[in-house]
Amino acid sequence: EIVLTQSPGTLSLSPGERVTLSCRASQSVTSSYLAWYQQKPGQAPRLLIYGASSRATGIPDRFSGSGSGTHFTLTISRLEPEDFAVYYCQQYGSSPALTFGGGTKVEIK
Amino acid sequence: EVQLVESGGGLVKPGGSLRLSCVASGFAFSDHSLNWVRQAPGKGLEWVSFISGSSSYIYYADSVKGRFTISRDNAENSLYLQLNSLRAEDTAIYYCARDYGGNWRPSWFDQWGQGTLVTVSS
Repeated sequence: EIVLTQSPGTLSLSPGERVTLSCRASQSVTSSYLAWYQQKPGQAPRLLIYGASSRATGIPDRFSGSGSGTHFTLTISRLEPEDFAVYYCQQYGSSPALTFGGGTKVEIK
Repeated sequence: EVQLVESGGGLVKPGGSLRLSCVASGFAFSDHSLNWVRQAPGKGLEWVSFISGSSSYIYYADSVKGRFTISRDNAENSLYLQLNSLRAEDTAIYYCARDYGGNWRPSWFDQWGQGTLVTVSS
């Protein structure tokens, strides 16, 4: 099973700041089969990125994903008030044994 | 508009059973594989099970294998999860999640329901 480790656990930031979230895999993720989700309190997760760098439909271009192998990142170029949430990475390269990271919470400073 | 609406959650005693349902609308149901993903209170996401569009491919997480059964009824646009031999650690919100396509294995999840809460407690 591929273990995904997200860091940091929590980030305290202000609107307008740039943020980069990290997702590290215990072994290489096949073909960059990695997705990112955003989850707000009391809501279901929402797909942001798939294939490591492809934005899902309707996702603003301030969100971008990159990386390959064992290290992936999600960058929000300029934080908007609605971006404060928990972010999860998920790998599907070793599917069907797909796994999620533990999440990074982005909170208002 | 794509919609996934789960139901069937509730309070059940350890060792008990429950059947969850997910009714879908707004897309060609049989063209998409589907998944169940759960989230324990205050915790992260855990993939539970996958079923392909024609039910030919079915997978489970090791933590539920042998206790949970996934199924679907394409005529009714419905997905199910039968939960047996429930344990306290199965307590979670259970989400129905659409796979992006009709793959034979799970990939990424482009639509999610709002979830149904299962609480296992005596």
